[in-house]
Amino acid sequence: VQLVESGGGLVKPGGSLRLSCAASGFTFSDFYMSWFRQAPGKGLEWVSYITSSGTTIYYVDSVKGRFTISRDNAKNSLYLQMNSLRAEDTAVYYCAREGKPGGAFDYWGQGTLVTVSS
Amino acid sequence: QSVLTQPPSVSAAPGQKVTISCSGSTSNIGDNYVSWYQQLPGTAPKLLIYENNKRPSGIPDRFSGSKSGTSATLGITGLQTGDEADYYCGTWDSSLSGTVFGGGTKLTVL
Repeated sequence: VQLVESGGGLVKPGGSLRLSCAASGFTFSDFYMSWFRQAPGKGLEWVSYITSSGTTIYYVDSVKGRFTISRDNAKNSLYLQMNSLRAEDTAVYYCAREGKPGGAFDYWGQGTLVTVSS
Repeated sequence: QSVLTQPPSVSAAPGQKVTISCSGSTSNIGDNYVSWYQQLPGTAPKLLIYENNKRPSGIPDRFSGSKSGTSATLGITGLQTGDEADYYCGTWDSSLSGTVFGGGTKLTVL
């Protein structure tokens, strides 16, 4: 199992970025997936969740209306479109697989850094 | 301010035992399973415990989990210097419709 994030970088406040998470080594379409983030020196924060078919999606309140999670099961990929970025969105973003019962995330990517700064 | 409450730090000597507490409410821990994650410096989180007390394959039985009411506990026995890391509890919150975490506990093995 491997999850590889990409798409991070430096962006100005108000700008946009699209993160990708390439999955391999498992049947991607069978699993719920989530995005998490970790601001520098801070704890983990769940960002968004999408079911295996993409029919159910949830977001943390702080990103609602600005971020959009999606997936392409044919391409084994998860995405996070981030618009209207703010300084407080600066963090390492991780994708993770919900692979254990009870909402546990058993595989995580290595993370991609998003820096929002002028 | 995290939804779940963990102590900021714990410490113990090599070979000793330590416990890390995680306190929540009826909408999260009280109503859902708890997971625990270990994050070594500069790395992604790693699942240690799921469904309150189950260990994924490859996780040694030095790590254990328990839950009672709206609180959960991670136990680590036979401490090793390699256990120095940040530990997070997490669970689903039925009111928030999202996964919530504790603020993390930094374990120091003296």
